[in-house]
Amino acid sequence: DGGITQSPKYLFRKEGQNVTLSCEQNLNHDAMYWYRQDPGQGLRLIYYSQIVNDFQKGDIAEGYSVSREKKESFPLTVTSAQKNPTAFYLCASSVPLGGYTFGSGTRLTVV
Amino acid sequence: SQQGEEDPQALSIQEGENATMNCSYKTSINNLQWYRQNSGRGLVHLILIRSNEREKHSGRLRVTLDTSKKSSSLLITASRAADTASYFCATASGAGSYQLTFGKGTKLSVIP
Repeated sequence: DGGITQSPKYLFRKEGQNVTLSCEQNLNHDAMYWYRQDPGQGLRLIYYSQIVNDFQKGDIAEGYSVSREKKESFPLTVTSAQKNPTAFYLCASSVPLGGYTFGSGTRLTVV
Repeated sequence: SQQGEEDPQALSIQEGENATMNCSYKTSINNLQWYRQNSGRGLVHLILIRSNEREKHSGRLRVTLDTSKKSSSLLITASRAADTASYFCATASGAGSYQLTFGKGTKLSVIP
């Protein structure tokens, strides 16, 4: 079955630690995205990539980094520079001007 | 930046009733999409309506788009308890734009 897989489902980060969230798709979509969702809020765009080896900052990129070395994979690193990382992180992919397919999300908590 | 804004923020109805949610946006769009999110889960794409379309149907869903008013509505007919979720509108703007900008959502509760 085609889809997007995010892992892990839950992640705990200590102060000052970098953590990486995984996102893999087998839909052959060129574009991939990372969004952050805070309780009761909409989605805010962190980074997006329209093609392999290229990515662009979204509205809230500070404290985050990404890579796009393969079409199928778009990992997100939450660095120690992100001061308030506790949130629900959603990865998605799409074709141009099409609907998004979302993963099931990773819930990150600072401990 | 938030483009779409849903109204109402929360809606509670009895099973079998119709539910209507509205979305307003600020700039011109290529298309507008509606998504559903069950608690703690990812979003599921429901329907996409292009800027040159006025109405679209999918099962019990009906979406309208009024580009002159920069607004859209999502109607769910004969609601079921399983429709309980948050519903988001999202807009795609700009030539060749891949990005969607999401609103804050409407939380729908359908009471059995």
